[in-house]
Amino acid sequence: GQQVMQIPQYQHVQEGEDFTTYCNSSTTLSNIQWYKQRPGGHPVFLIQLVKSGEVKKQKRLTFQFGEAKKNSSLHITATQTTDVGTYFCAGPRGSTLGRLYFGRGTQLTVWP
Amino acid sequence: NAGVTQTPKFQVLKTGQSMTLQCAQDMNHEYMSWYRQDPGMGLRLIHYSVGAGITDQGEVPNGYNVSRSTTEDFPLRLLSAAPSQTSVYFCATTILDTQYFGPGTRLTVL
Repeated sequence: GQQVMQIPQYQHVQEGEDFTTYCNSSTTLSNIQWYKQRPGGHPVFLIQLVKSGEVKKQKRLTFQFGEAKKNSSLHITATQTTDVGTYFCAGPRGSTLGRLYFGRGTQLTVWP
Repeated sequence: NAGVTQTPKFQVLKTGQSMTLQCAQDMNHEYMSWYRQDPGMGLRLIHYSVGAGITDQGEVPNGYNVSRSTTEDFPLRLLSAAPSQTSVYFCATTILDTQYFGPGTRLTVL
């Protein structure tokens, strides 16, 4: 079945460095979503990408959806300690609304 | 949290005990889901529901039961807890295909 693969599993950066996490699907996705989970917290929705080649920005975060709608990336410019957490991508499971397949996440650590 | 509440926040069980994790939402959303989160495994779907009286299995349903008698509540039942069910459990509701998670229940089975 469809799976969503995410790399890397861990990333340690010094504050001010950039960070990127990548997500790949074995099948074409109708959309891809990104979530952030702070340590000890719950996943929080960040953004949804729908169109082929779509790029969206939220302050220092840039999200991209590949032309083939099989891959996506999240790039953080000049990381801050507030960026610490685990970032998940998620794609729909089939056609049923609300069923998502989550990647395993990238855990970001930022040294001050 | 889109009005999603979960109780309890923490629970310790002995192997073989049963318990129910509670999830409630006050937004009248039709779609609700249960996930478990284990280190390095991401979020795995246990069960989900598309409305009152309708539930279906996710990718890791074994050992768990659900029911959806009302739109507001979606309890998750462990009939005979096992150490492999030690995990953090999240309930979520869906708005336009986006998941909104509750605060979670951290369960330890000894």
